[in-house]
Amino acid sequence: NAGVTQTPKFQVLKTGQSMTLQCAQDMNHEYMSWYRQDPGMGLRLIHYSVGAGITDQGEVPNGYNVSRSTTEDFPLRLLSAAPSQTSVYFCASSYSRGATYEQYFGPGTRLTVT
Amino acid sequence: DAKTTQPTSMDCAEGRAANLPCNHSTISGNEYVYWYRQIHSQGPQYIIHGLKNNETNEMASLIITEDRKSSTLILPHATLRDTAVYYCIVRHSGGYQKVTFGIGTKLQVIP
Repeated sequence: NAGVTQTPKFQVLKTGQSMTLQCAQDMNHEYMSWYRQDPGMGLRLIHYSVGAGITDQGEVPNGYNVSRSTTEDFPLRLLSAAPSQTSVYFCASSYSRGATYEQYFGPGTRLTVT
Repeated sequence: DAKTTQPTSMDCAEGRAANLPCNHSTISGNEYVYWYRQIHSQGPQYIIHGLKNNETNEMASLIITEDRKSSTLILPHATLRDTAVYYCIVRHSGGYQKVTFGIGTKLQVIP
């Protein structure tokens, strides 16, 4: 299994540009999440999905859209990039079986908005 | 969900046991304690979880106090590769939950 893959690894955008961060998982996990991590801080939840066709907002959803048309893919769209969105973005997939809840994280996308 | 409190940073000598504490004084009876770690620039990685019994796996041991208000993650023989940020998280079993990754503890293993 490739696990959770994210593309691109690095991206530089100008203010106002839009782009899509790709995330895919091959573990048939029902749950997927997007987090952002700013320097010296923990991870903050942007959006999440509990299954294909079902998404919801996390802690910091403004400026981002998501969709989940398949179990495998969970793209994150930046509508109009702003310097405040400069961050490292992590996608995660997870499953829940009784007490077991493991999140598997991708390698991250490092985004700079100038 | 219960909140957690961890020291911001800790040092440990290579080869010695690293003991990382976590306070979760408001934990409820059906909430589990999870530990993740994040090695520099990578995504967080699951380590271990437990409810009230001590747990051990190939990576670490988890000791939960009898009143469940605190826990300790133990890396028995720390190596330089264990240098990372360690996150303690509390969550209920079952279903999706919005998990909060705080600042965690930055563990520096010293040669």
